[in-house]
Amino acid sequence: DTEVTQTPKHLVMGMTNKKSLKCEQHMGHRAMYWYKQKAKKPPELMFVYSYEKLSINESVPSRFSPECPNSSLLNLHLHALQPEDSALYLCASSQTEAAGRSGNTIYFGEGSWLTVV
Amino acid sequence: AQKITQTQPGMFVQEKEAVTLDCTYDTSDQSYGLFWYKQPSSGEMIFLIYQGSYDEQNATEGRYSLNFQKARKSANLVISASQLGDSAMYFCAMRERTSGSRLTFGEGTQLTVNP
Repeated sequence: DTEVTQTPKHLVMGMTNKKSLKCEQHMGHRAMYWYKQKAKKPPELMFVYSYEKLSINESVPSRFSPECPNSSLLNLHLHALQPEDSALYLCASSQTEAAGRSGNTIYFGEGSWLTVV
Repeated sequence: AQKITQTQPGMFVQEKEAVTLDCTYDTSDQSYGLFWYKQPSSGEMIFLIYQGSYDEQNATEGRYSLNFQKARKSANLVISASQLGDSAMYFCAMRERTSGSRLTFGEGTQLTVNP
């Protein structure tokens, strides 16, 4: 079983709705990530938090707003999304942000399937 | 140029047989890590195995082994004794020291295990 848990598993929202995706890890990791994955494509990095501070924003539209309330939690707030934002959203974590010689494996959650109607 | 290349969009294997999924990579970093992930249709991205660029021995984890050929820049995943539950998308990924937290993924290989 994954140690990165995501809720909800499935979300359907209208283009005027405000919703949030939630992610939690209890591995003591200090780096957390949001990825977006379209069907039959590899995941694409959206945001990286390191020690609860936003480290990387891969030019993501402002209708996606990340938040890291503490070292275990990561949220993704969604507002005024478009149908093309429908995708699988994956949360992930690793010990730290740096690559390191040991690999510093990135562990993923089960994902949240988002449909925008 | 593609940093990670997986040349097999789809692979088929009989249950209990071994299968090799190909991955080649391109980097000028001396320090990097190579990862394989499994993604069933449910969506979860499951970490399988890791190989560091300085590791002299090939990584193994249960039925998974990584055939690392540094000079050829290849990191093929070998799954022994395939099971029906191995049917999934498999992604090869690389993390370079200079790219920090960024994982570069290949396009993936869809593996189907036939009974």
